Amino acid sequence: KAGVTQTPRYLIKTRGQQVTLSCSPISGHRSVSWYQQTPGQGLQFLFEYFSETQRNKGNFPGRFSGRQFSNSRSEMNVSTLELGDSALYLCASSLGPPSGANVLTFGAGSRLTVL
Amino acid sequence: DQQVKQNSPSLSVQEGRISILNCDYTNSMFDYFLWYKKYPAEGPTFLISISSIKDKNEDGRFTVFLNKSAKHLSLHIVPSQPGDSAVYFCAHARGGSNYKLTFGKGTLLTVNP
Repeated sequence: KAGVTQTPRYLIKTRGQQVTLSCSPISGHRSVSWYQQTPGQGLQFLFEYFSETQRNKGNFPGRFSGRQFSNSRSEMNVSTLELGDSALYLCASSLGPPSGANVLTFGAGSRLTVL
Repeated sequence: DQQVKQNSPSLSVQEGRISILNCDYTNSMFDYFLWYKKYPAEGPTFLISISSIKDKNEDGRFTVFLNKSAKHLSLHIVPSQPGDSAVYFCAHARGGSNYKLTFGKGTLLTVNP
């Protein structure tokens, strides 16, 4: 079956713009999580959605937001982009609410460059 | 809050030898630790996990050891293969309704033929 699909794979924006990233989870998976990967900070948790509800949120400013649709697809939005937002944004899905034994499956990521 | 530290940014080993990747954590309360492997231009893929009730978990060439008194875990790869060359992330999984993975910064493993 198809894996986690993220679009776009690469994009370039300028400071002050906003961006929307999309994630289609594995069919049947109802939980979607988002992570930011940067060289200096590694992978950092952004937020997690299950059945259209945000269940958990990381320590990111309010410029970072997300949502999940009834078909479990998810989007994240970053407004008023800053240079430091340049990163690989990773989406991961799981069948049910994520737990230690319920492993996340990651997509290939969306590489955002802010100029 | 949990911190996960991978103090070695890189490791180089010869094919056929053992690779040992290390991870330290700060908070003794946890549910699981997981190891993920990441190739360039791909997302992380799950490798192996260990729960708090175990000291060791083995899956083929991969074994994870947990030393709770030292707050330390390690991933052993035996024998190492060139295809194992990747970035390895240690992650702590906190369960419940506030589930999230806390990742270390990763260790780049290079296995030389």
